Amino acid sequence: DAGVIQSPRHEVTEMGQEVTLRCKPISGHDYLFWYRQTMMRGLELLIYFNNNVPIDDSGMPEDRFSAKMPNASFSTLKIQPSEPRDSAVYFCASTSTGLGTEAFFGQGTRLTVV
Amino acid sequence: ILNVEQSPQSLHVQEGDSTNFTCSFPSSNFYALHWYRWETAKSPEALFVMTLNGDEKKKGRISATLNTKEGYSYLYIKGSQPEDSATYLCALTDSWGKFQFGAGTQVVVTP
Repeated sequence: DAGVIQSPRHEVTEMGQEVTLRCKPISGHDYLFWYRQTMMRGLELLIYFNNNVPIDDSGMPEDRFSAKMPNASFSTLKIQPSEPRDSAVYFCASTSTGLGTEAFFGQGTRLTVV
Repeated sequence: ILNVEQSPQSLHVQEGDSTNFTCSFPSSNFYALHWYRWETAKSPEALFVMTLNGDEKKKGRISATLNTKEGYSYLYIKGSQPEDSATYLCALTDSWGKFQFGAGTQVVVTP
């Protein structure tokens, strides 16, 4: 397996534009997590899915953020409209059910909103 | 919400010295504790997963212990090397499978 795949790796967009980040989890994993990493807050959990169903989205900062997982192999994180304070590195991670199973992270998407 | 706290926030270590730092968590509803190593410009990489009270894991010069009754885990680095410089993240897994990460301990090893 190629691991967790995120795209794009880098995204620069203008304030007010819609941004869509994509994630392909490891095949067979039933949990998918979206994290945001900033200098101020460290690694924050935004939302996570189990079997494609959102379980906890309490970390989503505002209504401008939305996430979907239409199937087991694909998830999106959308920001509409984007703002400069959304600039961060967004990580996707996946894992499978069971104690002691580690989470595998994608390479992250570095988002810059100007 | 799982409150996972790590201390110190950062530390500087001289090459060759040993060091350790802490991850604290609520002892109730514990399922598993994870340590990750996160180097700049890379994604976090799993070091250890521990599930049982008293667990000890070792990987080269890095080791970890777990005390689920009092709610803490220690990560030890023996004979620190510059390549050990990274942020070390602790994460707690709850019964729903949710990973709650601490803020991390940034380790800087100077030659």
